[in-house]
Amino acid sequence: AQKITQTQPGMFVQEKEAVTLDCTYDTSDPSYGLFWYKQPSSGEMIFLIYQGSYDQQNATEGRYSLNFQKARKSANLVISASQLGDSAMYFCAMRGSNDYKLSFGAGTTVTVRA
Amino acid sequence: DTAVSQTPKYLVTQMGNDKSIKCEQNLGHDTMYWYKQDSKKFLKIMFSYNNKELIINETVPNRFSPKSPDKAHLNLHINSLELGDSAVYFCASSQRGQAFSGNTIYFGEGSWLTVV
Repeated sequence: AQKITQTQPGMFVQEKEAVTLDCTYDTSDPSYGLFWYKQPSSGEMIFLIYQGSYDQQNATEGRYSLNFQKARKSANLVISASQLGDSAMYFCAMRGSNDYKLSFGAGTTVTVRA
Repeated sequence: DTAVSQTPKYLVTQMGNDKSIKCEQNLGHDTMYWYKQDSKKFLKIMFSYNNKELIINETVPNRFSPKSPDKAHLNLHINSLELGDSAVYFCASSQRGQAFSGNTIYFGEGSWLTVV
């Protein structure tokens, strides 16, 4: 079974600054995928970024990057140059090699201040 | 075009009623899901179908019944609605029939169910 832990229930960040959202996981699968999703106040779930457990490099997608530390079982999301539109809830999720489903963390709410 | 669409988006109904939420995906994916998001925003898998075959059936009251007429559609029917069923229900889909950790799961916009 997969377990995802997001220890930060809420964070504030100043516009144009970077913010790091923590995510740790636990799994016995040798191969797995890590995902981050954004849920704005409108409610939809938006896929942001993916990291495979065997990927040599950390994933990046525009202003999003994933700080993947396999030995520490962490997959932190870094949002650079925060914008007001980044205010949302962010979910870390994981899928094992034999899993059809994604298992989610509890989420972190980010509020960007002007 | 919306990739994963679900209807209705908002549903207010009385206890004891039966209701359905419909979902369609135009991504050509083989696998579809229903997730429930509770009042604390926690997301939990309910069901998953792969090519119309039920592959995940989590501990969900049997008042909830999924139906997949084809691999592009997955509907959720709920009988005898209870107050505790109030939540956001998300439909989702992913590519390929095999479990593969790298396949992204794409979500619909959610259906807000309120039972009064």
